[in-house]
Amino acid sequence: DGGITQSPKYLFRKEGQNVTLSCEQNLNHDAMYWYRQDPGQGLRLIYYSQIVNDFQKGDIAEGYSVSREKKESFPLTVTSAQKNPTAFYLCASSQGGSGTGELFFGEGSRLTVL
Amino acid sequence: AQSVTQLGSHVSVSEGALVLLRCNYSSSVPPYLFWYVQYPNQGLQLLLKYTSAATLVKGINGFEAEFKKSETSFHLTKPSAHMSDAAEYFCAVSDKGGTYKYIFGTGTRLKVLA
Repeated sequence: DGGITQSPKYLFRKEGQNVTLSCEQNLNHDAMYWYRQDPGQGLRLIYYSQIVNDFQKGDIAEGYSVSREKKESFPLTVTSAQKNPTAFYLCASSQGGSGTGELFFGEGSRLTVL
Repeated sequence: AQSVTQLGSHVSVSEGALVLLRCNYSSSVPPYLFWYVQYPNQGLQLLLKYTSAATLVKGINGFEAEFKKSETSFHLTKPSAHMSDAAEYFCAVSDKGGTYKYIFGTGTRLKVLA
């Protein structure tokens, strides 16, 4: 079945450590996204990528980094510079451009900083 | 900049009653509009989308939404609530200009009372 796979589902991190969240899609979608979800705040865009080897900052990119070396993969690194990293992270993808296509989401990764 | 407002962070209805979840958008040009549903600790799933075809859009699970340009609204309705409808619902808008950016509302948590 086609879809988006995020791993790990739960992750615990000590302060000062970098962690990487994995996102893989087999939908052959061009665009991929990372969102952060906090209670009562909806989804906020961290980074997005329209094509391999290219990505743009979203609204809350500080303290995060991404890469897009392959069409199907878009990993997110939460760095020690992110001051409040505890959150639910969602990866998504969409077909084509113009924003007409819906987003397909993974099951999410919950990061907790100890 | 585009924005989405969802009135009511929590809505409670009795089983069998009408469900009405409100969404208003801010855009100088009618955008593409989406409703998503999220169950606890899961990703988001598309309910329906408006992309400038029919103004009344039917989605999955008996939900529908009507695009009203004069009111800049895209409210979600379901004639008869079921216990399984209890979830969080998000309204989202995308930019027709092809920026690949989707803006989400803060969500409405629907509770269905037996």
